[in-house]
Amino acid sequence: EAQVTQNPRYLITVTGKKLTVTCSQNMNHEYMSWYRQDPGLGLRQIYYSMNVEVTDKGDVPEGYKVSRKEKRNFPLILESPSPNQTSLYFCASSPGLAGANVLTFGAGSRLTVL
Amino acid sequence: QQQVKQSPQSLIVQKGGISIINCAYENTAFDYFPWYQQFPGKGPALLIAIRPDVSEKKEGRFTISFNKSAKQFSLHIMDSQPGDSATYFCAASRMDSSYKLIFGSGTRLLVRP
Repeated sequence: EAQVTQNPRYLITVTGKKLTVTCSQNMNHEYMSWYRQDPGLGLRQIYYSMNVEVTDKGDVPEGYKVSRKEKRNFPLILESPSPNQTSLYFCASSPGLAGANVLTFGAGSRLTVL
Repeated sequence: QQQVKQSPQSLIVQKGGISIINCAYENTAFDYFPWYQQFPGKGPALLIAIRPDVSEKKEGRFTISFNKSAKQFSLHIMDSQPGDSATYFCAASRMDSSYKLIFGSGTRLLVRP
């Protein structure tokens, strides 16, 4: 089944404790992206990647890091989480070519930072 | 900052009624306008999309209406069903970078039986 898999789905952590949210897709998509979803703010892009070793900042990159060492994986790293990073996070992928690309989203990772 | 403004924030409709969600955009370079549907506990999924060369696109009970001069587009759900209860996001982008979407703030739709 074509899908984007995120882990963990739920996580409660404390301020300053580094964490990584993994994202993997099995569709050989070139483009991958991370979004955060907050009430009243919709989906805001954190980082995106056009291909292996090519990443760029989205609209809200502060406090996050990403890497794209393999085409299928795009982990989101919070080096020193803070309470304002409590949110619902989504990883998404698409073929990345010009045209009407359809984003395929993962099921989401709910992060709470105490 | 490029924005897509979506309203209303929440909507309650009786079964069989029409649900209408509106969006407005600022960037005239946008030429791809999808709507995504999100059920609780799930990621968003593409529902329907339109390009500005047409004023309307219909897929089953779902219709996008597009007004290029007003820079507005809307989603109409005809004969709304309880199974349509979800959060709906409008979005916009350029077709040559349609993977890089700007999303609206979302509308939570509840269809009462």
